[in-house]
Amino acid sequence: GAGVSQSPRYKVAKRGQDVALRCDPISGHVSLFWYQQALGQGPEFLTYFQNEAQLDKSGLPSDRFFAERPEGSVSTLKIQRTQQEDSAVYLCASSIDLSGGLYNEQFFGPGTRLTVL
Amino acid sequence: AQTVTQSQPEMSVQEAETVTLSCTYDTSESDYYLFWYKQPPSRQMILVIRQEAYKQQNATENRFSVNFQKAAKSFSLKISDSQLGDAAMYFCVVSGGYQKVTFGTGTKLQVIP
Repeated sequence: GAGVSQSPRYKVAKRGQDVALRCDPISGHVSLFWYQQALGQGPEFLTYFQNEAQLDKSGLPSDRFFAERPEGSVSTLKIQRTQQEDSAVYLCASSIDLSGGLYNEQFFGPGTRLTVL
Repeated sequence: AQTVTQSQPEMSVQEAETVTLSCTYDTSESDYYLFWYKQPPSRQMILVIRQEAYKQQNATENRFSVNFQKAAKSFSLKISDSQLGDAAMYFCVVSGGYQKVTFGTGTKLQVIP
């Protein structure tokens, strides 16, 4: 079946604009993760969901970042009043694991490259 | 805090040779998993190999194997018979418990024909 997809692939925003990034996980995958990957760095954990429940949002850098997965499938990461330091690739990953996805393989999407001018 | 250290920002290997990528980590979790993920240029991140921390036997996956030293908190990746398609950024990852998922900073592997 289809893998994890993300849209848009590229987003340019003016500082202060709000953006919404979408993730379509693999069908049936219970766990969904969001990561922020700065240029030349490893991904940093932002938040994760088990079905529609957001079990951990400790990695969200500020209250301008908000994530939701209302029906336990598609997820949206919203960034309000974007700042230049928000420029990064945002990766989404899903996992089938009912135990929270921490022990099983994560399947990654291609990422959304956000550039804030 | 959970940390993962990859001390080699870049490595190179001749095609068909063997290379070892280093990783050390620190976690207070007693139950955790270790992973190596590969991120080819402009392509999606994929799993290379996985190791359960409670298992002493080192994981292997075709040309890929790990050297897991739990007491030393070391988890290196060995790639045998390197191929051009192995060129990528490799990330060491620790996952588990309340400290969730932590990636290292990555090692960029170049394969020389």
